[in-house]
Amino acid sequence: DTGVSQNPRHKITKRGQNVTFRCDPISEHNRLYWYRQTLGQGPEFLTYFQNEAQLEKSRLLSDRFSAERPKGSFSTLEIQRTEQGDSAMYLCASSLFGPEAFFGQGTRLTVV
Amino acid sequence: RKEVEQDPGPFNVPEGATVAFNCTYSNSASQSFFWYRQDCRKEPKLLMSVYSSGNEDGRFTAQLNRASQYISLLIRDSKLSDSATYLCVVIGGGINTNAGKSTFGDGTTLTVKP
Repeated sequence: DTGVSQNPRHKITKRGQNVTFRCDPISEHNRLYWYRQTLGQGPEFLTYFQNEAQLEKSRLLSDRFSAERPKGSFSTLEIQRTEQGDSAMYLCASSLFGPEAFFGQGTRLTVV
Repeated sequence: RKEVEQDPGPFNVPEGATVAFNCTYSNSASQSFFWYRQDCRKEPKLLMSVYSSGNEDGRFTAQLNRASQYISLLIRDSKLSDSATYLCVVIGGGINTNAGKSTFGDGTTLTVKP
């Protein structure tokens, strides 16, 4: 399968713990995006990479969120000191040069 | 007011009907526009790009009206399999000339009934 791959698919964590998610984009896609989606809402933009450079970051993102794409291939999204409000589906997408993006199946985070 | 707004619906239509969705956006500097389809508990899937000149793909037609700042999606001859949530997305237009920031609407739910 050469689509966008996200791991883990599900994560349950206790409030205050740190969590890290991984995204493997479609091979050779140079753009990578992270979104958060809650029930009944559209995906909410978090951040965007072109190769290894993080070019855009939502103002909505607090300092507890950080994302990296160290070699311009896979990316990680870390949430520190998780809160119940962080419970959501975290979606990763990738694209080749243009803005038409293909999504992974997401990581569903539940903070208890 | 949200940057991108859609009528949430739900739109309930019989098979064979024609249905249209609109999506309005507030940033006149926005650069790219798309429609995505999202099935329940699945990831969004790219449906089609939207251009001022219109874009047609089989039963689906998308249109951009820059003057009025809205995009539309028309589905002709609806099928049961068209039942899904349709998300519009607007890309770019920030102070940073980078066009990566994308803003999704909250989606319009379509149910096609036999």
